[in-house]
Amino acid sequence: DTGVSQNPRHKITKRGQNVTFRCDPISEHNRLYWYRQTLGQGPEFLTYFQNEAQLEKSRLLSDRFSAERPKGSFSTLEIQRTEQGDSAMYLCASSLWQDENIQYFGAGTRLSVL
Amino acid sequence: KNQVEQSPQSLIILEGKNCTLQCNYTVSPFSNLRWYKQDTGRGPVSLTIMTFSENTRSNGRYTATLDADTKQSSLHITASQLSDSASYICVVSAKGGSQGNLIFGKGTKLSVKP
Repeated sequence: DTGVSQNPRHKITKRGQNVTFRCDPISEHNRLYWYRQTLGQGPEFLTYFQNEAQLEKSRLLSDRFSAERPKGSFSTLEIQRTEQGDSAMYLCASSLWQDENIQYFGAGTRLSVL
Repeated sequence: KNQVEQSPQSLIILEGKNCTLQCNYTVSPFSNLRWYKQDTGRGPVSLTIMTFSENTRSNGRYTATLDADTKQSSLHITASQLSDSASYICVVSAKGGSQGNLIFGKGTKLSVKP
């Protein structure tokens, strides 16, 4: 499979717990993006990386959220002290920097905070 | 404020029929507009991308139009199939904007019935 891969596909956690999601982009893509999507809404931008550098963070990315892409390949998104409002689908996408208009999305990780 | 509005919110049609989805935007300065198809529980998949100079672009049974003067786009689906059942999301990006300037619509949920 050469597409964008996200793990896990589903995560159920209790309020206050920490969770971490992983995204493996298409191998030659140097840009990686994180989005959040709630039911009936379009995706909302959270942050993006070019190689290992985190170039932009949305105001949606509170201090409980942290994303990393240490070697410029896979990325992780961690949410600390989860709240019920964090329940959403977390989408990862990747692209070539010279063709950022074409983003390829993963299937997402659905988070449910109880 | 940069916004993307889609209509209708949801649509039910019979297999084999045509339909048209609408997207109105107030993003400025405009760079490009994309339509994505998102199956339930999956990530969005790009259908078309249109720049300022394009009026029409087709991808199989999907035809997107763009009127940059009225800031409207439409996605026309011909001879609908059951597999067309999905959410269709309109995404507009601003020229010179950062990744955070990708403005997503809420999507139109299309259900194709046999």
